[in-house]
Amino acid sequence: LAKTTQPISMDSYEGQEVNITCSHNNIATNDYITWYQQFPSQGPRFIIQGYKTKVTNEVASLFIPADRKSSTLSLPRVSLSDTAVYYCLVGDTVRWMDSSYKLIFGSGTRLLVRP
Amino acid sequence: KAGVTQTPRYLIKTRGQQVTLSCSPISGHRSVSWYQQTPGQGLQFLFEYFSETQRNKGNFPGRFSGRQFSNSRSEMNVSTLELGDSALYLCASSTTPGNTIYFGEGSWLTVV
Repeated sequence: LAKTTQPISMDSYEGQEVNITCSHNNIATNDYITWYQQFPSQGPRFIIQGYKTKVTNEVASLFIPADRKSSTLSLPRVSLSDTAVYYCLVGDTVRWMDSSYKLIFGSGTRLLVRP
Repeated sequence: KAGVTQTPRYLIKTRGQQVTLSCSPISGHRSVSWYQQTPGQGLQFLFEYFSETQRNKGNFPGRFSGRQFSNSRSEMNVSTLELGDSALYLCASSTTPGNTIYFGEGSWLTVV
């Protein structure tokens, strides 16, 4: 099961670009990388998902190098409302046949955006 | 499309009581998983249901149980509540196990 490692916390200022990197050295061939955002007292919210290279949506970009052992979530021009915990998760749709397979969340990265 | 709906949103129980939490998955999603989130332990997997069958369970005592109905709705039950059971209980759904999961807002349980 791919274990993820992220920085515990990051600080930024409004208007800056924020890059959060996640390490997943033993990622499997079929694993996708998914990022979630969680505000206090709320459930995690899906942000973006990718398999390789670069994925972009209206909220963020996800950069995945060729070896896929890490990934970087990029948040352009953050605002105060982006203050949250960000989780990186790896998993796939193939190993679901294995009933022992389960998604494991890491500790996440606590992002604080200052005025 | 409506998201994952969890009820109740907040509840307070006394030690020794039992509690049932409900989850309605996104329409068309047949897999439901439950997580417990506490400040000290983070997000911990409780169990997952698919087609009314529990296919996986985390490392929690037998006091924690769940079930899934034919319409994919799920409930989890905690019996003989302890103070340490105070947490945010999150339900997530996906089309099938292993696909992207989407979370509900959670049920805040406080045990006094």
